[in-house]
Amino acid sequence: GDSVTQMEGPVTLSEEAFLTINCTYTATGYPSLFWYVQYPGEGLQLLLKATKADDKGSNKGFEATYRKETTSFHLEKGSVQVSDSAVYFCALKDKSSGSARQLTFGSGTQLTVLP
Amino acid sequence: DAGVIQSPRHEVTEMGQEVTLRCKPISGHNSLFWYRQTMMRGLELLIYFNNNVPIDDSGMPEDRFSAKMPNASFSTLKIQPSEPRDSAVYFCASRGTGVDEQYFGPGTRLTVT
Repeated sequence: GDSVTQMEGPVTLSEEAFLTINCTYTATGYPSLFWYVQYPGEGLQLLLKATKADDKGSNKGFEATYRKETTSFHLEKGSVQVSDSAVYFCALKDKSSGSARQLTFGSGTQLTVLP
Repeated sequence: DAGVIQSPRHEVTEMGQEVTLRCKPISGHNSLFWYRQTMMRGLELLIYFNNNVPIDDSGMPEDRFSAKMPNASFSTLKIQPSEPRDSAVYFCASRGTGVDEQYFGPGTRLTVT
């Protein structure tokens, strides 16, 4: 079945450091890929997405490139801010026919950015 | 757009009591999802509806849990009787036609003592 594997956290960085959160996936079809962010006390928010191989999703300085050859969708940001402290979830939606129409989420990675 | 609305935001109840969580999806969305989030188990899909019809309830933990969607703008998740292990944050999410991304509500934090 479909699955998403994220790097384990927590991740602690200083402000302005470079961020990478690794995400790899297993899917029977050709999935769409997503990153969601959950700020403390809030629900998950869609951060970015990519729907086909080599697509790059970007938003708020975050980027992730859909790599079919490595089945990966790593999240990156060049300079993190304290306000980026949150839990980040990688997710996929398999588009092949017959798949349940739901998202498969990774376990989440806690990011803390220190001033 | 108001986004997905959940109520109550916080619920504290005693073991054995009935708990009802409510969700109003984004207007025009035709799919609705209920999730449970805990530290131990992470984010779990409990049930989802498409056009008000339950499609997959395999994530519902046991018969104490039930969910309904009487119309396109309202859904409930009920736990009867509640137990301390049901303590978690419960999220509702909705999705529009022809898209894959889901939009989450702020969640209901349930504490069962």
